[in-house]
Amino acid sequence: EVQLVETGGGLVRPGSSLKLSCATSGFTFSNTWMNWVRQAPGKGLEWVALIKDKYSNYEANYAESVKGRFTISRDDSKSRVYLQMNTLRDQDTATYYCTRGDYWGQGVMVTVSS
Amino acid sequence: DVVMTQTPVSLSVSLGNQASISCRSSQSLLHSDGNTYLSWYLQKPGQSPQLLIYLASNRFSGVSNRFSGSGSGTDFTLKISRVEPEDLGVYYCFQHTHLPFTFGSGTKLEIK
Repeated sequence: EVQLVETGGGLVRPGSSLKLSCATSGFTFSNTWMNWVRQAPGKGLEWVALIKDKYSNYEANYAESVKGRFTISRDDSKSRVYLQMNTLRDQDTATYYCTRGDYWGQGVMVTVSS
Repeated sequence: DVVMTQTPVSLSVSLGNQASISCRSSQSLLHSDGNTYLSWYLQKPGQSPQLLIYLASNRFSGVSNRFSGSGSGTDFTLKISRVEPEDLGVYYCFQHTHLPFTFGSGTKLEIK
């Protein structure tokens, strides 16, 4: 059974950092492209970042809204994908989902507020 | 960036009737590899999105055959036949042909 479980959310101040983690199981993680998608309270879905697999040199891509502040990474030995979020803003407040496209995690809430 | 324009914003449908949602992209979603990376998701209240349709017209495993996707290039449609109570929620189209990937703004389906 495919499973994705996000952790690491919380309440942080503007300008601070947070690292989300997504633990996966039930599929061959190492050759799977992984994404982070977020959803601000009461709003629609926003794609955040993609990390490709080793065959694509772990290429990473970002939404313009997070480029230069967020970094997606992966550890194939642990079947985990991460999202390092720096210089957080109020507008980054959202539920963050880890997804491979067909399967999604339950999401983790990040609140940025002073 | 590719803009995904979804219509209508909301839809109220009687049980047993058909619903149709349109999604138009600002650029063709035909990839150089020959695939069209257009997906449809349903997000039920309080839940994570769930995949309904991939590659524009392929039903994902376990998805009812009441759901069908069609279209090519820049125009796509999701049809839900014989609407049931469990179909309520917000439907999103999503393109992953061009980076950055983008979602439509969503269509809220309500049951009359």
